[in-house]
Amino acid sequence: KQEVTQIPAALSVPEGENLVLNCSFTDSAIYNLQWFRQDPGKGLTSLLLIQSSQREQTSGRLNASLDKSSGRSTLYIAASQPGDSATYLCAGSAGNKLTFGGGTRVLVKP
Amino acid sequence: DGGITQSPKYLFRKEGQNVTLSCEQNLNHDAMYWYRQDPGQGLRLIYYSQIVNDFQKGDIAEGYSVSREKKESFPLTVTSAQKNPTAFYLCASSIIGADTGELFFGEGSRLTVL
Repeated sequence: KQEVTQIPAALSVPEGENLVLNCSFTDSAIYNLQWFRQDPGKGLTSLLLIQSSQREQTSGRLNASLDKSSGRSTLYIAASQPGDSATYLCAGSAGNKLTFGGGTRVLVKP
Repeated sequence: DGGITQSPKYLFRKEGQNVTLSCEQNLNHDAMYWYRQDPGQGLRLIYYSQIVNDFQKGDIAEGYSVSREKKESFPLTVTSAQKNPTAFYLCASSIIGADTGELFFGEGSRLTVL
């Protein structure tokens, strides 16, 4: 059974610093890895999707990498802003189902 | 605009009552999903459907039921058999399935049992 872990559970950085968020998964037979953002009391917003054949995806200040052999994905957010404060969740797919990590709650201080 | 609409946003239920959460999408997606989120935890899959008139149990289906009579609709019923129903419920959809495309989520429904 796929297990997805995100460490740390919470992270606080000063504005302007780069953010590095980690995601680990136990089963390398994933089809894709997706990163989401969740604001308090809201639904999830898709940030990036990395297919299993890809090693990374980029969108603006966001870059996500995928290393299936080590069971890891990393989300980089460059030059963080207070508006980046949110919970970030990763999820791996297999059998047309997503398994989610517990999320990393990020606070960017002005 | 295309998207996923969940209603109601907030719902209160007395113990012993069944409640139904609505999820409608106009994205023309085949696959739809229901997840449950508890404070400080990740999302857990309740049910999913990849085609009309067909659905499969997820990891925590006990005490829940669903139907998929129309492509755009996937309502979730929380029955009295669900022992701890207070949670945030999220509906999602994808073009075919999670293995081939992004999941898009609604804004969620918060259920509180009084």
